[in-house]
Amino acid sequence: DAGVIQSPRHEVTEMGQEVTLRCKPISGHNSLFWYRQTMMRGLELLIYFNNNVPIDDSGMPEDRFSAKMPNASFSTLKIQPSEPRDSAVYFCASRRTANSNQPQHFGDGTRLSIL
Amino acid sequence: GQQLNQSPQSMFIQEGEDVSMNCTSSSIFNTWLWYKQDPGEGPVLLIALYKAGELTSNGRLTAQFGITRKDSFLNISASIPSDVGIYFCAGPSANAGGTSYGKLTFGQGTILTVHP
Repeated sequence: DAGVIQSPRHEVTEMGQEVTLRCKPISGHNSLFWYRQTMMRGLELLIYFNNNVPIDDSGMPEDRFSAKMPNASFSTLKIQPSEPRDSAVYFCASRRTANSNQPQHFGDGTRLSIL
Repeated sequence: GQQLNQSPQSMFIQEGEDVSMNCTSSSIFNTWLWYKQDPGEGPVLLIALYKAGELTSNGRLTAQFGITRKDSFLNISASIPSDVGIYFCAGPSANAGGTSYGKLTFGQGTILTVHP
């Protein structure tokens, strides 16, 4: 079975540019999560969706970050304009149901470098 | 908010040695999850624990859900070079009323290095 698929795997761009990260959750999973991982702060939850609806976006750093889930099989995380401090690995994860006791399954991440 | 404290932060061991790491919290968790992250990849679920006192094995890995529900342990026996990576504990976050509301709280990770 296919796992969570993220694209691109790597992105290098100049500050000020718009960045769009993409995620396809595991088929049949109803919850989707976006995380950011850095050496300094570890894994941070940015936002999560249940049944395509954003439930908690309190982890989104600022208005430059936005996330959408137009359907059950696709989500995007957008940064506009990007800044060097946004450089990190961004992970998408999905979970079968909204039951928080069920495990999340992670994609391989997008390594983002903002110059 | 809830926090999970993992120890040790890092370990350097020789191949063949056993490894033990733990995760503690000041509040109760109803589920403990252990993930491993290989370099350049996302975290992968190793073991899920759902009951206080539960002891679960997955190959050379054994994890326990502490009786107090405030801690969990992960042991790796006879380590091999591919055990290298970062090990995370995680559990569902809860509000002040104790209701889980969908998020996972992650520990800061234990970095494991295995020398051949």
